[in-house]
Amino acid sequence: ELKVEQNPLFLSMQEGKNYTIYCNYSTTSDRLYWYRQDPGKSLESLFVLLSNGAVKQEGRLMASLDTKARLSTLHITAAVHDLSATYFCAVDDTFYFGTGTSLTVIP
Amino acid sequence: DTGVSQDPRHKITKRGQNVTFRCDPISEHNRLYWYRQTLGQGPEFLTYFQNEAQLEKSRLLSDRFSAERPKGSFSTLEIQRTEQGDSAMYLCASSRPETYEQYFGPGTRLTVT
Repeated sequence: ELKVEQNPLFLSMQEGKNYTIYCNYSTTSDRLYWYRQDPGKSLESLFVLLSNGAVKQEGRLMASLDTKARLSTLHITAAVHDLSATYFCAVDDTFYFGTGTSLTVIP
Repeated sequence: DTGVSQDPRHKITKRGQNVTFRCDPISEHNRLYWYRQTLGQGPEFLTYFQNEAQLEKSRLLSDRFSAERPKGSFSTLEIQRTEQGDSAMYLCASSRPETYEQYFGPGTRLTVT
């Protein structure tokens, strides 16, 4: 059975702290995507990871992909309140989205 | 390039009625996708088109759902004989040919009473 699992599902962190969100998947896809969704809004593309070892960084967020381990990580550095949102990983080919990680950054 | 647009943004309908949603993708994107999202869940894949061809349809999609993309431009999603369980946000996305990175529209929120 195909699975795209994220953990944690809920994350509450203080401003200034670092944390990592994990995305495990069970297909052999080499393409993985990260999206952000604010409450009541649609999804915004954050990162596109197209090959093993790919690393992308934008501001306080950094995403990486290990296709051999079927694992992607989204690392948050020195969190700020504006990062509060739900983050989804998605595997191409099968168009499966993870269950999402709801992030709340506390002042 | 004004992004992916969807119409209407909100739809309230009575159970048993038919509804149709429209999606206009980014002009140079050849792939178009439909998803359904309920509260607290990730988007659930419904179907996708490459140009005018419907290439895949989720097994979860009942026969009451149909989608078209005439001439490979805009797409419509029709739900016949709506049920309360159809209440959800319906999202459309289109993707670039090179990376398949999906750009999402604002969604159509359907409420079936």
